[in-house]
Amino acid sequence: EIVLTQSPGTLSLSPGERATLSCRASQSVTSSYLAWYQQKPGQAPRLLIYGASSRATGLPDRISGSGSGTDFTLTISRLEPEDFAVYYCQQYGSSPLTFGGGTKVELK
Amino acid sequence: QVQLQESGPGLVKPSETLSLTCSVSGGSISNYYWSWIRQPPGKGLEWIGYMYSSGITNYNPALKSRVTMSVDTSKNQFSLKLSSVSAADTAVYYCARNNGWYFYWGQGTLVTVSS
Repeated sequence: EIVLTQSPGTLSLSPGERATLSCRASQSVTSSYLAWYQQKPGQAPRLLIYGASSRATGLPDRISGSGSGTDFTLTISRLEPEDFAVYYCQQYGSSPLTFGGGTKVELK
Repeated sequence: QVQLQESGPGLVKPSETLSLTCSVSGGSISNYYWSWIRQPPGKGLEWIGYMYSSGITNYNPALKSRVTMSVDTSKNQFSLKLSSVSAADTAVYYCARNNGWYFYWGQGTLVTVSS
């Protein structure tokens, strides 16, 4: 099973700042089959990125994904008020599919 | 626009079987993979498994001995059964369409295991 470790656990930032979220895998993720999700309280996760760097439909270009192998990054170039939420990475290159523990982006 | 909706009891007794159904609208259930994912209160996401519309399944080894998924293409629904539940199975259960990644999700349903 591939274990995904997200860091930091919590990121305290202000609107307009840059957010950099990390997702590290315990072994290489096949074909960069890695996705990122945003989740707000009481809501289902929302797909942001798949294939490590492909944006989901309608996603603003200030949110981007990068990485390969075991190290992946989600970057929000300029935080907007709606970006404060919990973010999860997920690998789908091997079974069982697994999620990271999440990074909370909170208002400083 | 594909929409998913979970339904089932919100309260299940310990040692009993949790049963949930996901109704799919706005598209056919055929020729896609469908998943169940759960989230204990205040915690992260756990993949339970997926099934193809033909009935092929793949379950999380951690839950495999207790999980059964099935599909009813005539009703455009798929289902989850989790046997011998305990308090550790208390969670919000989501159904979702599986492309490897998950774009379409249900709103989730909270299932509490308690006597």
